[in-house]
Amino acid sequence: AQSVTQPDIHITVSEGASLELRCNYSYGATPYLFWYVQSPGQGLQLLLKYFSGDTLVQGIKGFEAEFKRSQSSFNLRKPSVHWSDAAEYFCAVGHGNEKLTFGTGTRLTIIP
Amino acid sequence: GAGVSQSPSNKVTEKGKDVELRCDPISGHTALYWYRQSLGQGLEFLIYFQGNSAPDKSGLPSDRFSAERTGGSVSTLTIQRTQQEDSAVYLCASSLVKGFHEQFFGPGTRLTVL
Repeated sequence: AQSVTQPDIHITVSEGASLELRCNYSYGATPYLFWYVQSPGQGLQLLLKYFSGDTLVQGIKGFEAEFKRSQSSFNLRKPSVHWSDAAEYFCAVGHGNEKLTFGTGTRLTIIP
Repeated sequence: GAGVSQSPSNKVTEKGKDVELRCDPISGHTALYWYRQSLGQGLEFLIYFQGNSAPDKSGLPSDRFSAERTGGSVSTLTIQRTQQEDSAVYLCASSLVKGFHEQFFGPGTRLTVL
């Protein structure tokens, strides 16, 4: 069965520092991979997605993610975080009948 | 409206009561999804509608949960005889067409069962 693991429940970084959020997936076929962000009191917003092709995917708000098949990973990165990036981040794998399986999320805190 | 809307934003109910949660997808979106987000957990898929096809109900946790989509637009998620473990945020999403196009999420309905 497909699954998504986000090993970091909570990460704290300083404003301006680089960021990497980890995501590992388990899926038998070529995965469709997504990163969503959820700000307090708001719905989820798609940051980026990987379907095929170039394994380095650029998204909105300066985020990028790299698909590594050998490691079953799809880590999210940003070179310099801003205070407004504080939110909950969810990795997801798409499969079957267009369903998404989500990880449990990583809460990002930004300190000045 | 430009986005997916859900109502109510918050719902507090007593154990054993029935509740209805509403989702208005983006106009023209043929696919509609319901997810449940429990405290400390990721999002759990509940049900998926695509056009006039039979819905995929494989994620519904029990027969107390049901959903319908009228006229290919508005959807209602009904929970009968609510239990405390039903307390969660219920999220609705829609997408333009079938096939992993971006899912647009609503703000959710926070359900609290006392």
